Amino acid sequence: GEDVEQSLFLSVREGDSSVINCTYTDSSSTYLYWYKQEPGAGLQLLTYIFSNMDMKQDQRLTVLLNKKDKHLSLRIADTQTGDSAIYFCAENREGSQGNLIFGKGTKLSVKP
Amino acid sequence: KAGVTQTPRYLIKTRGQQVTLSCSPISGHRSVSWYQQTPGQGLQFLFEYFSETQRNKGNFPGRFSGRQFSNSRSEMNVSTLELGDSALYLCASSGTAQGVGNTEAFFGQGTRLTVV
Repeated sequence: GEDVEQSLFLSVREGDSSVINCTYTDSSSTYLYWYKQEPGAGLQLLTYIFSNMDMKQDQRLTVLLNKKDKHLSLRIADTQTGDSAIYFCAENREGSQGNLIFGKGTKLSVKP
Repeated sequence: KAGVTQTPRYLIKTRGQQVTLSCSPISGHRSVSWYQQTPGQGLQFLFEYFSETQRNKGNFPGRFSGRQFSNSRSEMNVSTLELGDSALYLCASSGTAQGVGNTEAFFGQGTRLTVV
């Protein structure tokens, strides 16, 4: 299909790991991104992965990429209440990082 | 280093009017992209400017236009506003002064436009 797909909601308990999944569409996409949006705010770039990598770790964040299945995931270890937000995955198409295609976002709720 | 600055933060306009939004990218960045965010459609790409030229365009009507100045600041204009244009408009900057593609796009806080 044409869309970048994400599940809409995820609820976890504080201290647990969160895994947010995304399916993208363009096998030629060079970079895949994860952004975080808190209420009333813009998008904060969390991390990105180059398409020739299959894993990237950055502190509590781990990104896994399965290029064959066009599947991307973001794992947040030791999830905190401050991680509650909407998480967007995005792919770049046509080789330009200026043209990002976003998923609809996954709303992560962290319960104390 | 200052981030991406969008002005104004909030705007209320009447149907049929036009509006101009402004975006100042991170110093040294030459690419500015605009996105529209609505609850129903999510984030949709409007257009991208690089060195004062439109490099990419999304699927929006001609009422949506933009431009970029020599200092990389960008404006977008929406004419003949419709109720459905109510949205959060986000701009993102990327790219280096050397023109080499940068892997990261940094977003501003957005302009919340309400059309009544």
